[in-house]
Amino acid sequence: DAGITQSPRHKVTETGTPVTLRCHQTENHRYMYWYRQDPGHGLRLIHYSYGVKDTDKGEVSDGYSVSRSKTEDFLLTLESATSSQTSVYFCAISDVRLDNGQPQHFGDGTRLSIL
Amino acid sequence: QQQVKQSPQSLIVQKGGISIINCAYENTAFDYFPWYQQFPGKGPALLIAIRPDVSEKKEGRFTISFNKSAKQFSLHIMDSQPGDSATYFCAASRTTDKLIFGTGTRLQVFP
Repeated sequence: DAGITQSPRHKVTETGTPVTLRCHQTENHRYMYWYRQDPGHGLRLIHYSYGVKDTDKGEVSDGYSVSRSKTEDFLLTLESATSSQTSVYFCAISDVRLDNGQPQHFGDGTRLSIL
Repeated sequence: QQQVKQSPQSLIVQKGGISIINCAYENTAFDYFPWYQQFPGKGPALLIAIRPDVSEKKEGRFTISFNKSAKQFSLHIMDSQPGDSATYFCAASRTTDKLIFGTGTRLQVFP
């Protein structure tokens, strides 16, 4: 298995609180991604990073921010969580030399519930 | 034009049978078509991918068939096994753009 660790694996929090999810990789891959998975929607890209301090928005970025200060860590922050952000969040990584940087390996997800 | 439509939503197949999952896209600029396999409690894993310069790609029991004129591609799982029971996602993208995923197919293979 690719070395991707997501933390926490489960979290329950209240509306309006800030939440930060962490993705840590040991593969030294350049690209990192955050997706959310919801029934009936498949996986939708929130934000991605193509290098340290280089990030860009995906299709569902509203209400989320990211940071990447080191190659191995990619953080996803919900500044003020809302119930619509209840979801399973997946981090993915890829090596730009393979498949043009498309996500190849995913972490095991963080199940986030916002009450 | 950015959608990828996947069917069926769920599929039940007998052990040894053929599982077929279909996807359709609209954006003719898409040039990369991967399939991902996801087991419960795990993240998706890249299974197999195809580019439009070929009509078929086979890896073991898994085959992607690609029909450029119909803007459709499908995953065939030959000799389906209970261990293949998972959710399968198709996706599509342009080389320089991000993946658009289908909504997933839950496959159950019964012994």
